[in-house]
Amino acid sequence: GQQVMQIPQYQHVQEGEDFTTYCNSSTTLSNIQWYKQRPGGHPVFLIQLVKSGEVKKQKRLTFQFGEAKKNSSLHITATQTTDVGTYFCADVYNTDKLIFGTGTRLQVFP
Amino acid sequence: SQTIHQWPATLVQPVGSPLSLECTVEGTSNPNLYWYRQAAGRGLQLLFYSVGIGQISSEVPQNLSASRPQDRQFILSSKKLLLSDSGFYLCAWKTLLSGYTFGSGTRLTVV
Repeated sequence: GQQVMQIPQYQHVQEGEDFTTYCNSSTTLSNIQWYKQRPGGHPVFLIQLVKSGEVKKQKRLTFQFGEAKKNSSLHITATQTTDVGTYFCADVYNTDKLIFGTGTRLQVFP
Repeated sequence: SQTIHQWPATLVQPVGSPLSLECTVEGTSNPNLYWYRQAAGRGLQLLFYSVGIGQISSEVPQNLSASRPQDRQFILSSKKLLLSDSGFYLCAWKTLLSGYTFGSGTRLTVV
């Protein structure tokens, strides 16, 4: 079956440094969604990418969908302590189900 | 406004005991509803989803079952809990434009 892997598994950065998590699939992705889960909390929807090569920005966050639709990335510029959490990508399959990536846990040191 | 409620927040149950977790949504009708489980420090695994009353699809074989007795109510159950059923259970609702909205989750510890 489809596997959606994310790297790195963990990332520790100093506040102000940049951060990137990569999402890779064994099969072509249909639509990619990104979620953030704060420690002890539930996943919160960030964004959806649909088109090949699509790039979307939300303030310091930049989301990209690969040209071949087999990978995606989330880049955070100048991290802040509020960025702490686990970031998940998720593929939308069969139009209404999500298969989640393995997640990248981000720790930001002040 | 559209909201999703899930309870209880935490639960400690002995092995072999029954389980019932409830999820309700407000502010929408005929939603697609989902139950996910997250093991400690791991990703989310889809357990069940429902597109309407009485319609349940199971994604993985397991010790759990789900029911949808009303349009905006989704219940996760077990007759006899196993240690391996411990985890963080999340109910989710698929919105039209904003991805999935998750409930606040139930942390289940089976002892």
